[in-house]
Amino acid sequence: NAGVMQNPRHLVRRRGQEARLRCSPMKGHSHVYWYRQLPEEGLKFMVYLQKENIIDESGMPKERFSAEFPKEGPSILRIQQVVRGDSAAYFCASFGQGNTGELFFGEGSRLTVL
Amino acid sequence: LAKTTQPISMDSYEGQEVNITCSHNNIATNDYITWYQQFPSQGPRFIIQGYKTKVTNEVASLFIPADRKSSTLSLPRVSLSDTAVYYCLVGVFSGSARQLTFGSGTQLTVLP
Repeated sequence: NAGVMQNPRHLVRRRGQEARLRCSPMKGHSHVYWYRQLPEEGLKFMVYLQKENIIDESGMPKERFSAEFPKEGPSILRIQQVVRGDSAAYFCASFGQGNTGELFFGEGSRLTVL
Repeated sequence: LAKTTQPISMDSYEGQEVNITCSHNNIATNDYITWYQQFPSQGPRFIIQGYKTKVTNEVASLFIPADRKSSTLSLPRVSLSDTAVYYCLVGVFSGSARQLTFGSGTQLTVLP
């Protein structure tokens, strides 16, 4: 798990502010998944990205949420005009082409909206 | 898209073998079955993966029947530290991979 770095680990925002969550995948990995986990619930798929491409964003709300994975730098999950219902843990996972299929997860970013 | 169904919770005692079954009736030909473990406030961690029959590693075994419509994670001689949520994931990892969807997970509680 230590290979996938997420920051910040904890983020507090007031309603209406923006939240930016960053994920640096393991070295050599070019595939990133973002998941959301509400308290006491399971992991919900949000978006799947490859370098510079969004492959599947069917799990992400159409409004206020966006994700990117630029050629250089980390993947970013951006939530605009946050609401209390956005409070959750957001996990990033990466894997590399041709691996055995193991997803490597970060420790998550915990967003609290006041 | 393969949907998975697992028991919500299970209790066991230290030293016992625990079997957690996951149903995935519409698994696709290319899908692999992967199990993850998650402790509170941590990211999930890979346990084991298989395609068919039986797979064993140093921490668990995975049993997959011929029709592949279910799978069973077997944890031998559990300890208190095995208390966690266990997720079954069905999907394929490839350049054209679609979303990988986790089930709701099974909360395993190991009692002394």
